[in-house]
Amino acid sequence: DAMVIQNPRYQVTQFGKPVTLSCSQTLNHNVMYWYQQKSSQAPKLLFHYYDKDFNNEADTPDNFQSRRPNTSFCFLDIRSPGLGDAAMYLCATSSGQGLNEQFFGPGTRLTVL
Amino acid sequence: GNSVTQMEGPVTLSEEAFLTINCTYTATGYPSLFWYVQYPGEGLQLLLKATKADDKGSNKGFEATYRKETTSFHLEKGSVQVSDSAVYFCALRDYKLSFGAGTTVTVRA
Repeated sequence: DAMVIQNPRYQVTQFGKPVTLSCSQTLNHNVMYWYQQKSSQAPKLLFHYYDKDFNNEADTPDNFQSRRPNTSFCFLDIRSPGLGDAAMYLCATSSGQGLNEQFFGPGTRLTVL
Repeated sequence: GNSVTQMEGPVTLSEEAFLTINCTYTATGYPSLFWYVQYPGEGLQLLLKATKADDKGSNKGFEATYRKETTSFHLEKGSVQVSDSAVYFCALRDYKLSFGAGTTVTVRA
């Protein structure tokens, strides 16, 4: 089945230790998104790629970076995680922007010790 | 800017009860409106959508009508099941998705 896959599902890191979260998709969608969802809150868009074009949200901290080496994969890098970065990180894809449906992965829950 | 306000939870219901979750929005232009559902431990799934005024989205017994005059997109289901227990998010989209805060629904047998 075509899908959005996130690995790992649970990630534990230490304060200040860089961490990378992974997302892959078999949908061949050209747009990939990363959202941060803190406990009992709505998902918040961090950035997205339209093909190779990176689009950062204005309020996304510099601590968060992303890479998209090819259509199928997208990575979220947190350079120096703080306790406030503990959250669920959701990857999503869509075919084009605008009104097209976004397909979400199951998320990676990040714990910062 | 665009924003979505939805009814706060948690909401606890008995099986076969009627469910309504209120959602109102503020937007410039004519956004598309969505309801997403998040089951425990899973990502978001699109439940239904409406792309213009007076459109009704429906899926799995859930319905919502895009009301431009009241800027609302309330979610309803006539008879809930235990399997409907989840968090429900209202969202609007112009160039990106803006979500409401989510409403946790628990259905008891």
